[in-house]
Amino acid sequence: KAGVTQTPRYLIKTRGQQVTLSCSPISGHRSVSWYQQTPGQGLQFLFEYFSETQRNKGNFPGRFSGRQFSNSRSEMNVSTLELGDSALYLCASSLIQGANLNTEAFFGQGTRLTVV
Amino acid sequence: AQKITQTQPGMFVQEKEAVTLDCTYDTSDQSYGLFWYKQPSSGEMIFLIYQGSYDEQNATEGRYSLNFQKARKSANLVISASQLGDSAMYFCAMRAIGGATNKLIFGTGTLLAVQP
Repeated sequence: KAGVTQTPRYLIKTRGQQVTLSCSPISGHRSVSWYQQTPGQGLQFLFEYFSETQRNKGNFPGRFSGRQFSNSRSEMNVSTLELGDSALYLCASSLIQGANLNTEAFFGQGTRLTVV
Repeated sequence: AQKITQTQPGMFVQEKEAVTLDCTYDTSDQSYGLFWYKQPSSGEMIFLIYQGSYDEQNATEGRYSLNFQKARKSANLVISASQLGDSAMYFCAMRAIGGATNKLIFGTGTLLAVQP
């Protein structure tokens, strides 16, 4: 069973550009969440999608957006990149959303974005 | 609001010895889950162990066990018989159970170095 796939693994962009990151969840998983990891702020929740709908959003500016497709694949977009957006972006997939039981989140290897 | 606190930025342990990584949490939710993840230098977050707030017994998964003390709001990870491959960042995380979200709140992590 294939794991969570994030592409690309590494990315270098210039300030002011925009970037799109992709996440393919585990087959059958319908919930996808995105996290930003930086040395200063740690792991912060960006947003979460379930059945093509954004269900929850973290405290990030509107430059950060995302979407989920009918096959559960998700993309996140960052427009007008700033130096502070340099981070490891992690995607997590889960089978369902908000279950009463342990809904384990499986993470991808992340996309390391560097803004210069 | 939910919060996870990991007070040990870094830890050293000798190979084959046991080590405890501390985690305290704060939440107003009655139902919640506590998770530990391992993040090697490759970046991927690897799920280790889960403890539900209503679980009466401490969770165990192979060499990993979770020392859950609900009254003290602590969920410490115990790794027995440390191996060199255990060297990594370890994150404690929490999410509400039964709500309409899979959002995880992470601590700042503990960097574990296993010495031969």
